[in-house]
Amino acid sequence: DAKTTQPTSMDCAEGRAANLPCNHSTISGNEYVYWYRQIHSQGPQYIIHGLKNNETNEMASLIITEDRKSSTLILPHATLRDTAVYYCIVSPGANSKLTFGKGITLSVRP
Amino acid sequence: NAGVTQTPKFRILKIGQSMTLQCTQDMNHNYMYWYRQDPGMGLKLIYYSVGAGITDKGEVPNGYNVSRSTTEDFPLRLELAAPSQTSVYFCASSYELTSSYEQYFGPGTRLTVT
Repeated sequence: DAKTTQPTSMDCAEGRAANLPCNHSTISGNEYVYWYRQIHSQGPQYIIHGLKNNETNEMASLIITEDRKSSTLILPHATLRDTAVYYCIVSPGANSKLTFGKGITLSVRP
Repeated sequence: NAGVTQTPKFRILKIGQSMTLQCTQDMNHNYMYWYRQDPGMGLKLIYYSVGAGITDKGEVPNGYNVSRSTTEDFPLRLELAAPSQTSVYFCASSYELTSSYEQYFGPGTRLTVT
């Protein structure tokens, strides 16, 4: 069973921030939060990961609550190319086996 | 670098036939993985390998076999194809280093068993 729960879908306007929520209330102390996305049934693409602190890279920001039971992926300026299925995954460390749920479908509208 | 490549892109098999899905990576990654994705679902891990000569089962290994004779290649074998194996198959790889957290995925092989 997936360790995360995500809404089924959401949409946002192009150029606006997209905030994608994820609940992981049973996360263990050694488990990281990963985000991947899958565009048009292509292979998944890594976006970002974090343990406790908030993280930012060129693609997105990851905000993790203090109790680590939930997180939010932020795409600061969504474009049409960001339309995809986004997967929130919890898993221990590097090279760990990933368990993908159904993810959340983000639709970016013009 | 080509990254992770998979062949073929598409394949239709008859029930009971066999085939091998090819996966090659040119990034010198020790870790390699095979996932399957059924329509509307997330990916499920079939097999993985932590290096040449070492493989282990994932979540859904029944009906599949793998081998890892080189660092670059990780083929997936279907011996007796069944309709339940109709799916999209993704191969992935990652670095051994503990500081690396990203899995790199190939473009997938779309398999239909009829």
